[in-house]
Amino acid sequence: SYVLTQPASVSVAPGETARIPCGGKNIGSKSVNWYQQKPGQAPVLVIHYDTDRPSGIPERFSGSNSGNTATLTISRVEAGDEADYYCQVWDSTTDHVEFGEGTKLTVL
Amino acid sequence: QVHLQESGPGLVKSSQTLSLTCTVSGGSISSDSYYWSWIRQPAGKGLEWIGRIYTSGSTNYNPSLKSRLNILVDTSKNQFSLKLSSVTAADTAMYYCARGPVVPAALTNYFDFWGQGTLVTVSS
Repeated sequence: SYVLTQPASVSVAPGETARIPCGGKNIGSKSVNWYQQKPGQAPVLVIHYDTDRPSGIPERFSGSNSGNTATLTISRVEAGDEADYYCQVWDSTTDHVEFGEGTKLTVL
Repeated sequence: QVHLQESGPGLVKSSQTLSLTCTVSGGSISSDSYYWSWIRQPAGKGLEWIGRIYTSGSTNYNPSLKSRLNILVDTSKNQFSLKLSSVTAADTAMYYCARGPVVPAALTNYFDFWGQGTLVTVSS
C-alpha cells in the first residue's frame, strides 16, 4: 500500500507560519487532500486537489505538492487553528484511500 | 446543504457483526456525482478508510478489511450501510460516513461532507 508520512507534531507561535509536510514516494504525481480535525469533532476538508480551498476555508490555508513531499501551509496562525491535520490521497494502483498518520498543530 | 447522520448500536460483542447506517439528507444518494464512504478512527489514533459505494452499488474496500466487509446502498431510503463481521476489540472506534465527489479520470477521492460520527465499542 501507499505510505504517507507526517510528523507527529508541529508547534508555532501565533501570527507565524506553520508548515505541515506529508511525505510519500513521488507524491507530486498524486492529488493530495488535507483535513483539519479539532477535538471531539469530525474532520473538515481544508485543501483538495493539492492547492484548492473549499468554500469557507480562510485564504490563510494553502497547499503545495512536488516531488516526494506535499505541504499544508497555514499563514498568520491563530489559536483556533490548533488541531490535528491529516493528508490523504487516492491510491489508483489499489483503488483505495490512504491517510497520513496525522500531525498535531500546537499554537504556543 | 447535505447532512449525513450515522446510526446503529454503540456496543457490539466480540465475534459478532457490526452494523451501521448513514442517512443522507439535503441531497440524493442516487446522484451520479458522488461516492459514499465509511471511515473510522480509534480513540487517540488516526483515520482509516473502510470503503466506499456508488449509487450503482459498485464498491471499493480497504484490503485489510475486505474479507469481513459489506457496504450496501438503499436509494429508496437515501441511506447506505456498513456491515463488518467477526469484530474484535481492534474494531472499537468512532465510525464516520462521508461524501466524496466523483472526480474525472479518478484522479483522487476526497471527502467534502462528514457525519458527526458514532462510537462503536466491541466488548468481550
